[in-house]
Amino acid sequence: NAGVMQNPRHLVRRRGQEARLRCSPMKGHSHVYWYRQLPEEGLKFMVYLQKENIIDESGMPKERFSAEFPKEGPSILRIQQVVRGDSAAYFCASSLPAGKASPLHFGNGTRLTVT
Amino acid sequence: AQSVTQLGSHVSVSEGALVLLRCNYSSSVPPYLFWYVQYPNQGLQLLLKYTSAATLVKGINGFEAEFKKSETSFHLTKPSAHMSDAAEYFCAVSEDNAGNMLTFGGGTRLMVKP
Repeated sequence: NAGVMQNPRHLVRRRGQEARLRCSPMKGHSHVYWYRQLPEEGLKFMVYLQKENIIDESGMPKERFSAEFPKEGPSILRIQQVVRGDSAAYFCASSLPAGKASPLHFGNGTRLTVT
Repeated sequence: AQSVTQLGSHVSVSEGALVLLRCNYSSSVPPYLFWYVQYPNQGLQLLLKYTSAATLVKGINGFEAEFKKSETSFHLTKPSAHMSDAAEYFCAVSEDNAGNMLTFGGGTRLMVKP
């Protein structure tokens, strides 16, 4: 009975490298959300995807960040040329399609540290 | 636009004492309100949600919250704190019933003293 699976749990990158964060939604869930939690802050919405489609990316930084949810495989949040300010916990959540009244189920997060 | 304010980033109570975590919201539409709990190094778990059916909402682990429209508040309470309640608590608001597009407050870290 796997919930939302995120990997890796911890990721260390040097400035300028790329970070790839993976998220497998709960079985049967077709919608994925990415949230970012900066130290001592609440979660901030980044992007909302369904298979092969970005529904809402209003919370994504304009540069260096991208997300995808391919037909097969996990959702990927990609951060290019990381900077120290990207250090945060990144949480993925999944749900049934909107309107199905199912709450978000969160993964345990990926903690990114940029050195 | 929606926003959530949680008063008090840290709250400390003694074991057995009342827990009160404050949340005020602003929303241009009738809101759906949620409380989530986050234990160390884990994701968020839904405690309870308000979806207009009843103003007093009961959740898991003995927590409840009351929606007060006149005060734009949705404070979380528990009559008697347990050590296991120590965690971070987030209030969130959404425009949809399922809470798929959440706006979170800054969180309140609850500490429980023996």
